[in-house]
Amino acid sequence: AQSVAQPEDQVNVAEGNPLTVKCTYSVSGNPYLFWYVQYPNRGLQFLLKYITGDNLVKGSYGFEAEFNKSQTSFHLKKPSALVSDSALYFCAVMEDQAGTALIFGKGTTLSVSS
Amino acid sequence: DTGVSQNPRHKITKRGQNVTFRCDPISEHNRLYWYRQTLGQGPEFLTYFQNEAQLEKSRLLSDRFSAERPKGSFSTLEIQRTEQGDSAMYLCASRRGGDTQYFGPGTRLTVL
Repeated sequence: AQSVAQPEDQVNVAEGNPLTVKCTYSVSGNPYLFWYVQYPNRGLQFLLKYITGDNLVKGSYGFEAEFNKSQTSFHLKKPSALVSDSALYFCAVMEDQAGTALIFGKGTTLSVSS
Repeated sequence: DTGVSQNPRHKITKRGQNVTFRCDPISEHNRLYWYRQTLGQGPEFLTYFQNEAQLEKSRLLSDRFSAERPKGSFSTLEIQRTEQGDSAMYLCASRRGGDTQYFGPGTRLTVL
């Protein structure tokens, strides 16, 4: 069965510092991996995805993520955090293109202090 | 693209009443998904349409839930005889041929 784990409920960083939000996954086939961000009382906004190719993918708002097949991880990173990055972040996996539903982690709240 | 839209944004109802939500996907997106999100959890898949055909349903989708997409455009999700446990955010997403699902703002349901 597919699953996603986000081991940290909350990540706190100071503005200007680098941030990492962790995600590990489990699928039987080739993983399609996604990061979404959710602001209060709003839907999910797509940030970036890994399908194939370069293990480092770049997305919206300066975010990037690194796919590590051996560690089955897809951590979200940003070199310099902004206060406006404070939100709820979800990692999700789909089992290759044959998959339909996204399987989400429980989410990680990112808090960036000024 | 105008994005995925959902109506209403908020719904408060009494236990036992029926409710219906609407989702309008991004134009030309042939695949449409419904998810449910409860507090402190990630979204959970409910059902999936390709055009007008409902191709997959989660076991979370009890007999009280029904979804339709009659002309392959907008979709409705109806919950009959609502229960307090149905209180959640109901999210709709759409996708074209590629792999990225784009989400709407959601409908927050509160069952009193």
